[in-house]
Amino acid sequence: KAGVTQTPRYLIKTRGQQVTLSCSPISGHRSVSWYQQTPGQGLQFLFEYFSETQRNKGNFPGRFSGRQFSNSRSEMNVSTLELGDSALYLCASSLEGTTNNEQFFGPGTRLTVL
Amino acid sequence: DAKTTQPNSMESNEEEPVHLPCNHSTISGTDYIHWYRQLPSQGPEYVIHGLTSNVNNRMASLAIAEDRKSSTLILHRATLRDAAVYYCIPALLTSGSARQLTFGSGTQLTVLP
Repeated sequence: KAGVTQTPRYLIKTRGQQVTLSCSPISGHRSVSWYQQTPGQGLQFLFEYFSETQRNKGNFPGRFSGRQFSNSRSEMNVSTLELGDSALYLCASSLEGTTNNEQFFGPGTRLTVL
Repeated sequence: DAKTTQPNSMESNEEEPVHLPCNHSTISGTDYIHWYRQLPSQGPEYVIHGLTSNVNNRMASLAIAEDRKSSTLILHRATLRDAAVYYCIPALLTSGSARQLTFGSGTQLTVLP
């Protein structure tokens, strides 16, 4: 079956702009998690959505938000972009969540903020 | 928060077994230990996970210490394609029944031909 897809794969924005990233999970998966990966901070959890509800949230400012649709597809939005938001944004889907399920990661969206 | 400790890097020869250690002395009794690996320019890939007893799958084996303060990921025959960063990750309970994977810095595994 098809894996997790993320669009776009690459994105260049300028400071102050906003950006929306999209993630399509594996068919049948109801949980979608988002992560930010940078060379300095490594992989950090942003939030998790399950059945259209945010179930868990990491330690990121309110400029980072997300949502999940009824078909489990998810979007994340970053407003008022800062240079430090340049990163690889990864989404991962799983059947029910992280307790006893494996997560399947997408290839990521590389965001560059100039 | 539970913290994991892994060696920054390890080397192995091709077709030999590799034992990747992880210390997680502060995890709770209900925190599963997950292992993921990340190849260059790719998203992380699930390897294995377990709670108390040893686990095996087609990719690897996971040996969990009886006191759960440490675990070891075992690749039975390393190949060049196994060169990656390996993350030992507790699935921590953060709110209600929600858990999250807390990635550390991982171990960079180099496989020598």
